[in-house]
Amino acid sequence: AQSVSQHNHHVILSEAASLELGCNYSYGGTVNLFWYVQYPGQHLQLLLKYFSGDPLVKGIKGFEAEFIKSKFSFNLRKPSVQWSDTAEYFCAVNGHDKIIFGKGTRLHILP
Amino acid sequence: GAGVSQSPRYKVAKRGQDVALRCDPISGHVSLFWYQQALGQGPEFLTYFQNEAQLDKSGLPSDRFFAERPEGSVSTLKIQRTQQEDSAVYLCASSLALAGVPDTQYFGPGTRLTVL
Repeated sequence: AQSVSQHNHHVILSEAASLELGCNYSYGGTVNLFWYVQYPGQHLQLLLKYFSGDPLVKGIKGFEAEFIKSKFSFNLRKPSVQWSDTAEYFCAVNGHDKIIFGKGTRLHILP
Repeated sequence: GAGVSQSPRYKVAKRGQDVALRCDPISGHVSLFWYQQALGQGPEFLTYFQNEAQLDKSGLPSDRFFAERPEGSVSTLKIQRTQQEDSAVYLCASSLALAGVPDTQYFGPGTRLTVL
């Protein structure tokens, strides 16, 4: 069955710290991978996506993610976080149509 | 429009009432999706339309849930005889692509349903 696992449910960092959020997926076919972000009081927004090509994907606001096929992983990274990055982050996989989401990681950045 | 819109944003229903949730997708988007997001969880797929055709309804939790998109644009998710376990945020998303073509889904703000 298709599934997405996010390793950390709640992460607390200080500003300027480096960030890595883990994501592993289980899917039998060609995958399309996403990270969505939900800022407080706002709706889900696409942070970045991987469909094909270069496995290192750059998204908005300085975020990047690397698709490692052999590890079934798509970890999200940012070298230096800001207070405004406080949000909930969802890793997701899409085979044909519907998106399968992970349970999310709440990121709290201390000013 | 500029984005996906949903109404109402908040709905409180007494147990046993019927509710209808509306989604206006981005103009021209062929595909429309409904998801349910329970507190502390990620969104879970409910159903999917390509134009007016409902191609997948495997995620609907019971026959009390019904969705339609009669003219291939606006969609309504109806829940009959609501139960407390139906309390969740209901998200609508749309995308430009046809079935089987990878594409980004754009999400609306959601409708928060509380069943008392």
